[in-house]
Amino acid sequence: NAGVTQTPKFRVLKTGQSMTLLCAQDMNHEYMYWYRQDPGMGLRLIHYSVGEGTTAKGEVPDGYNVSRLKKQNFLLGLESAAPSQTSVYFCASSYRSPQPQHFGDGTRLSIL
Amino acid sequence: TQLLEQSPQFLSIQEGENLTVYCNSSSVFSSLQWYRQEPGEGPVLLVTVVTGGEVKKLKRLTFQFGDARKDSSLHITAAQPGDTGLYLCAGDSVQNQGGKLIFGQGTELSVKP
Repeated sequence: NAGVTQTPKFRVLKTGQSMTLLCAQDMNHEYMYWYRQDPGMGLRLIHYSVGEGTTAKGEVPDGYNVSRLKKQNFLLGLESAAPSQTSVYFCASSYRSPQPQHFGDGTRLSIL
Repeated sequence: TQLLEQSPQFLSIQEGENLTVYCNSSSVFSSLQWYRQEPGEGPVLLVTVVTGGEVKKLKRLTFQFGDARKDSSLHITAAQPGDTGLYLCAGDSVQNQGGKLIFGQGTELSVKP
């Protein structure tokens, strides 16, 4: 019973490099979300999707792009990484609003 | 911008003590969820409250939703070291689109034996 799986778990990048974080869920959930978590700031929504082929901006979308080509996958891209994007990134999914969100275990990203 | 203010931000207590965590906003929420997060893991849902004045109990944890649906509290009775973790409240705004949740900053709880 995998739930929400995030890859990779850890990554170190240099400023200016690009990378993609992958989120996969096996619960047939319609809604998927990407958050970043920084000390003392809770979880802040980056982008979200209400179904396959749809994406929308959250609270802090600048510097990130997303794609939802398949219902079970939600990709978060950093085109040109900056030190301010050092954070722990969480993916979540839910069946519909306002159902509880199921979270992955996070990706710890450091940008030097 | 809708905000959820959680207090206290940090709490360190001895085993057996009681504690209360507060989650306040000036906005009305359709529902409010409480999550617990352990180091290296994602948040896990504890409870959802949807009705103003609602009280839910989960063993030693008591959750309350304010009458006006703008605030909530989490009370832990006789805390144990296993309660240690980050507690997050999250609100589903009445103006919500897309199932978005607004999270509080979190309360870091440490229960010492």
